[in-house]
Amino acid sequence: AQKITQTQPGMFVQEKEAVTLDCTYDTSDQSYGLFWYKQPSSGEMIFLIYQGSYDEQNATEGRYSLNFQKARKSANLVISASQLGDSAMYFCAMREPYNNNDMRFGAGTRLTVKP
Amino acid sequence: KAGVTQTPRYLIKTRGQQVTLSCSPISGHRSVSWYQQTPGQGLQFLFEYFSETQRNKGNFPGRFSGRQFSNSRSEMNVSTLELGDSALYLCASSYYRAHEQYFGPGTRLTVT
Repeated sequence: AQKITQTQPGMFVQEKEAVTLDCTYDTSDQSYGLFWYKQPSSGEMIFLIYQGSYDEQNATEGRYSLNFQKARKSANLVISASQLGDSAMYFCAMREPYNNNDMRFGAGTRLTVKP
Repeated sequence: KAGVTQTPRYLIKTRGQQVTLSCSPISGHRSVSWYQQTPGQGLQFLFEYFSETQRNKGNFPGRFSGRQFSNSRSEMNVSTLELGDSALYLCASSYYRAHEQYFGPGTRLTVT
C-alpha cells in the first residue's frame, strides 16, 4: 500500500510568493517521523525539515514550515517568499521506527518558480 | 563537517558485470541507508546498516548486497547487472536510525 501520497506532480509559483506542497501519509503507528527533501537537477537530496508525530508545534526552518495535521494524516510543506533557486523536486517521506524503519518516499512534486 | 561522499559518481557497465559502490557517511553517523532512484519507480529503499549489521532490507533481489565497516563506511554490490539496474544510487547517513538522513550526491550507474 502507498504510504506517502503527493498528489501534485507539478506546481508553479511566482517569485516571492508562498507555495504549499501537499503530502498525506498512511500509518497505524503512533510513533513516526515526517521529512521533506529537496532534489535540484544536480541530483543530491537536501534535507529541509522534520516533524515528529508527538511534536505539538509545527516545525519551521527558515522559509520552510510544515503544516502538520495529525488527524488528517497530512504534512504539507509551505515555502514562503519563493526564490528562483527553490525550483526543484520536493519529496515527502516518512519513517516508522517500530515498523522496519525504512524511509518511504512519495512520488515527488516538481516546483517551478517563475520570475 | 564534511557531508556524505559517494564514489564513483558515474559508472558505465555492461550487462552481466558486477559493480561496487562506496559511501562514506558524515563523521559520527552510524546508520547508512541505500536507495535506488529511477524515473519509473521513484525512490526505493535498498537496505540499512547500523553498527555493521544490516537492519532492514527493501524488496530487491539477492543480486543487491551491501556491508558496513567498523568506521561506518558502507559499500553496496550489484552482481550480474541487468539493464533495469541503470539508476541513481543514493546513500544516506544519520546519527541514529530514526533521525533525519543526509544524502550523498549519488552514483549514476548506466548498464549497457
